[in-house]
Amino acid sequence: ETGVTQTPRHLVMGMTNKKSLKCEQHLGHNAMYWYKQSAKKPLELMFVYSLEERVENNSVPSRFSPECPNSSHLFLHLHTLQPEDSALYLCASSPSRGNNEQFFGPGTRLTVL
Amino acid sequence: GQSLEQPSEVTAVEGAIVQINCTYQTSGFYGLSWYQQHDGGAPTFLSYNALDGLEETGRFSSFLSRSDSYGYLLLQELQMKDSASYFCAVRDDNYGQNFVFGPGTRLSVLP
Repeated sequence: ETGVTQTPRHLVMGMTNKKSLKCEQHLGHNAMYWYKQSAKKPLELMFVYSLEERVENNSVPSRFSPECPNSSHLFLHLHTLQPEDSALYLCASSPSRGNNEQFFGPGTRLTVL
Repeated sequence: GQSLEQPSEVTAVEGAIVQINCTYQTSGFYGLSWYQQHDGGAPTFLSYNALDGLEETGRFSSFLSRSDSYGYLLLQELQMKDSASYFCAVRDDNYGQNFVFGPGTRLSVLP
């Protein structure tokens, strides 16, 4: 595997379910990001991790919970989501937190019923 | 608030030159980046400007004027495979903790 991978690629869940999205980067980068991409809206940065340290983003609802066990892996834990949370969730990495070039994964298409 | 503006759609023919503009209003500025995203694909990095002027990378060039809070992506010798969405993005803090993306410009290249 090369680059940034994400699993699953597609996920359908009910509002009461708990699921997790996984991201793995094979680039040796130190920073990882979660983005939300909704139809007709700009990409929204949700969370930033640098050297496994999380940067808080107060605008993200608590039903989204990130986890970064090491610099290569990033998870997004989901629980009691709403239909408006349906979107493409993209993971990205960069060599360091201040680097402007980010490498994106293919995304997880999430549908909340 | 923080916002970036781009045209929603641009259409051009193969071999032509097209310019996609981006204006930004952000609390800080630490660089303007451009990304390409094909339908169903991941955004891929194209270019980055931290200082005023033109950066050239093959058929693609990017320009920045910080005094005008404005930049553009120039695509030359358009090819069908260039049909995609193009996003500008600003890093607005010095620690790389916040990136603000534009709404994207959908480019259609016609034969």
